[in-house]
Amino acid sequence: DAGVTQSPTHLIKTRGQQVTLRCSPKSGHDTVSWYQQALGQGPQFIFQYYEEEERQRGNFPDRFSGHQFPNYSSELNVNALLLGDSALYLCASSLGLTGTGNYNEQFFGPGTRLTVL
Amino acid sequence: KQEVTQIPAALSVPEGENLVLNCSFTDSAIYNLQWFRQDPGKGLTSLLLIQSSQREQTSGRLNASLDKSSGRSTLYIAASQPGDSATYLCAVRPWGSGTYKYIFGTGTRLKVLA
Repeated sequence: DAGVTQSPTHLIKTRGQQVTLRCSPKSGHDTVSWYQQALGQGPQFIFQYYEEEERQRGNFPDRFSGHQFPNYSSELNVNALLLGDSALYLCASSLGLTGTGNYNEQFFGPGTRLTVL
Repeated sequence: KQEVTQIPAALSVPEGENLVLNCSFTDSAIYNLQWFRQDPGKGLTSLLLIQSSQREQTSGRLNASLDKSSGRSTLYIAASQPGDSATYLCAVRPWGSGTYKYIFGTGTRLKVLA
């Protein structure tokens, strides 16, 4: 089991550009959540995708959008990049439906470090 | 509004010491609480998940407890080792229809000295 994978590892962009980050969930998981982690802070929830639909969104502007594919992988798109978008972007996968045991346990990928110049 | 606080922000201990990390949350209505470890510049590694109906969970040298009514969780690390040096984060999933996000604290940065 490869666990949660993310690409690319690092990315450098300039203000105003657009970026796409990718995530493949852990085998057997159908739900993907995206988080933004600024330096020295805890991760902040961006949104969650389940059954190819965004089912919850955090306090992030519409410049942040996403998509989930039939194979459960996901993309995070950020338009019109700002300096403040520089952060570690984390993807987490989990099971979407409740059940017995450690349901909803989140497993995180290694992250994508985005630097906006 | 749910808020999660972790104290202390940083901790330095000699190898072999037993230690306790604290996590507090403002609203006791939660589905579960999860503890993570994060190495510098890396992703999060899940350590323990405690459901709202549970009081504690154990894995190896780690033990996490949950007191929902007082809004507190502790992570106990026995016989600490230099390899335990990392930032430890706790996160809660608030209770509520349509609520799937986790809310994180800012973490406790642990350094175990050899």
